[in-house]
Amino acid sequence: AQSVTQLDSQVPVFEEAPVELRCNYSSSVSVYLFWYVQYPNQGLQLLLKYLSGSTLVKGINGFEAEFNKSQTSFHLRKPSVHISDTAEYFCAVSDAGGTSYGKLTFGQGTILTVHP
Amino acid sequence: NAGVMQNPRHLVRRRGQEARLRCSPMKGHSHVYWYRQLPEEGLKFMVYLQKENIIDESGMPKERFSAEFPKEGPSILRIQQVVRGDSAAYFCASSPGQLRGYTFGSGTRLTVV
Repeated sequence: AQSVTQLDSQVPVFEEAPVELRCNYSSSVSVYLFWYVQYPNQGLQLLLKYLSGSTLVKGINGFEAEFNKSQTSFHLRKPSVHISDTAEYFCAVSDAGGTSYGKLTFGQGTILTVHP
Repeated sequence: NAGVMQNPRHLVRRRGQEARLRCSPMKGHSHVYWYRQLPEEGLKFMVYLQKENIIDESGMPKERFSAEFPKEGPSILRIQQVVRGDSAAYFCASSPGQLRGYTFGSGTRLTVV
């Protein structure tokens, strides 16, 4: 079984400031890791994913995340946020071995609010 | 290439009625996943289907919920005799393969009154 913990339920930040959204996971098998963004009343959009290779992953909209296997973390960062980044962000994990059919286990979400 | 289409976007049902949620996957995608998002919670896996087959329904409530993905037409998530606790956003995602990444639809927001 896998679990995902997003350590902050809400993160307020001022425009143009840097931000980090924290995600830790637990799994007995190798995993793939994902960050999704959800704008109000919309579906989820993939920001970035880690499958293998370089532990620093770059995604859309200037976001990046770093996979840290020893700390079982996959924190999301952006060096300078914009008002339009206000949304809810979800970290998710899936079993890399395929035994769980690609289904995702999600964290509880972090609401990022960017203030002018 | 249209994305994953879910309809209706909003659905209101009285307690005891049936709710039918539809999901048309992206063209070329034969794998469909359904997730439920309860208020102030993350998404929870419900069921994974391929054409005409339920592969994994480990997240489906044992009663009143069913899903299908027929050879022709959209995938359907059916909830019989809805209760207030079924009020949630239901998201469908499609994929060309199990480990090939998902595309999510915009969801159906079910309200049971």
